[in-house]
Amino acid sequence: QVTLRESGPALVKPTQTLTLTCTFSGFSLSTSGMCVSWVRQPPGKALEWLALIDWDDDKYYSTSLKTRLTISKDTSKNQVVLTMTNMDPVDTATYYCARINGGGSYLFDYWGQGTLVTVSS
Amino acid sequence: AIQLTQSPSSLSASVGDRVTITCRASQGISSALAWYQQKPGKAPKLLIYDASSLESGVPSRFSGSGSGTDFTLTISSLQPEDFATYYCQQFNSYPQITFGQGTRLEIK
Repeated sequence: QVTLRESGPALVKPTQTLTLTCTFSGFSLSTSGMCVSWVRQPPGKALEWLALIDWDDDKYYSTSLKTRLTISKDTSKNQVVLTMTNMDPVDTATYYCARINGGGSYLFDYWGQGTLVTVSS
Repeated sequence: AIQLTQSPSSLSASVGDRVTITCRASQGISSALAWYQQKPGKAPKLLIYDASSLESGVPSRFSGSGSGTDFTLTISSLQPEDFATYYCQQFNSYPQITFGQGTRLEIK
């Protein structure tokens, strides 16, 4: 059974750095083709892809946010960590982690329940 | 970057109706498209992948079609549990992944 769960602060102040952890089970990020990604959704708005890390430790970022994002993994702990620097109120959103089971179709087949992050002083 | 434009942005329909949602890509993406359903307060759920393949466990009233730049999601006979927001997502330009802006399906 594949599960993913996001954890991190619910409230951050402007200019601070956000650190989110995705803890997953039911699959290994060492398996060829496997990826974990982060997607966010501001309240009432659309989904936005942020970053992904694959089984080979390759890392990819949204072009518009890449200067602020860092993604990493700890395969032994089944965790993926996303950091986002210089947080702003417009970054208020629900942040999801999701699995991509590659093999040519890069879609999100399992998602966490999401964690709401509010940016406010 | 490839942009996806969904239409309509919102839609009112009745139980039993046939509904079609369109997703248009700003450039050709072959069949590298997925559709998701999202209910309030919940994570998206994968419905369709590779433009027309039904994800395991998804009811057969859902279907997808299209290739290149124009895609459709069709619900053949709306059920009460289908009222939700639907998103398309392209992965042709992987690793740059994009979503459409969503289509909200409401009860008439």
